[in-house]
Amino acid sequence: QKEVEQDPGPLSVPEGAIVSLNCTYSNSAFQYFMWYRQYSRKGPELLMYTYSSGNKEDGRFTAQVDKSSKYISLFIRDSQPSDSATYLCAIDELQGAQKLVFGQGTRLTINP
Amino acid sequence: EAGVTQFPSHSVIEKGQTVTLRCDPISGHDNLYWYRRVMGKEIKFLLHFVKESKQDESGMPNNRFLAERTGGTYSTLKVQPAELEDSGVYFCASSQVWGPGANVLTFGAGSRLTVL
Repeated sequence: QKEVEQDPGPLSVPEGAIVSLNCTYSNSAFQYFMWYRQYSRKGPELLMYTYSSGNKEDGRFTAQVDKSSKYISLFIRDSQPSDSATYLCAIDELQGAQKLVFGQGTRLTINP
Repeated sequence: EAGVTQFPSHSVIEKGQTVTLRCDPISGHDNLYWYRRVMGKEIKFLLHFVKESKQDESGMPNNRFLAERTGGTYSTLKVQPAELEDSGVYFCASSQVWGPGANVLTFGAGSRLTVL
């Protein structure tokens, strides 16, 4: 069993739609949860960083963590064509260690 | 501020040859990481430097891989001899050890390695 499971997609939605991206993880020791965005031929770019269960909002993006279910989500509201990218969840056991465990990534396309 | 720079962007070599990948982290970032993504798989941790010291090299696949960070600035990752399964994208990332940027890994664009 993989430590982090993420549906690789691809996922295609119309502009303006709400997008929901999800990951599950198996190790209850994981404490720090991240979402990265990766455009083609670029490196991953940190989008959201959360610790503990609950929601964190940043503009059109909301990250949600449910530690009891070992489930993390990223919601994108009012999706734009510029949001088209691969989204990777990443999890870290110890703050500062940054020995990240990544999901496989979900390729998202927002159609104008 | 310049980002994390990796060179070459793409390297094509034959099985058995040697390749050296280079990473220039963001100036002042003492943490430097190497990650790798092989085809169809997730990005995986290889190793972590703090300045010139290897903090954690538990992700290095075998002794054909050698990473160095002499002087605590740029880092190199050498694969010798390369095998077919080494093909993939090698990412370098850096971060501050302390301060507000300590939790933020900045990744380079990656070096794509193709072993024929």
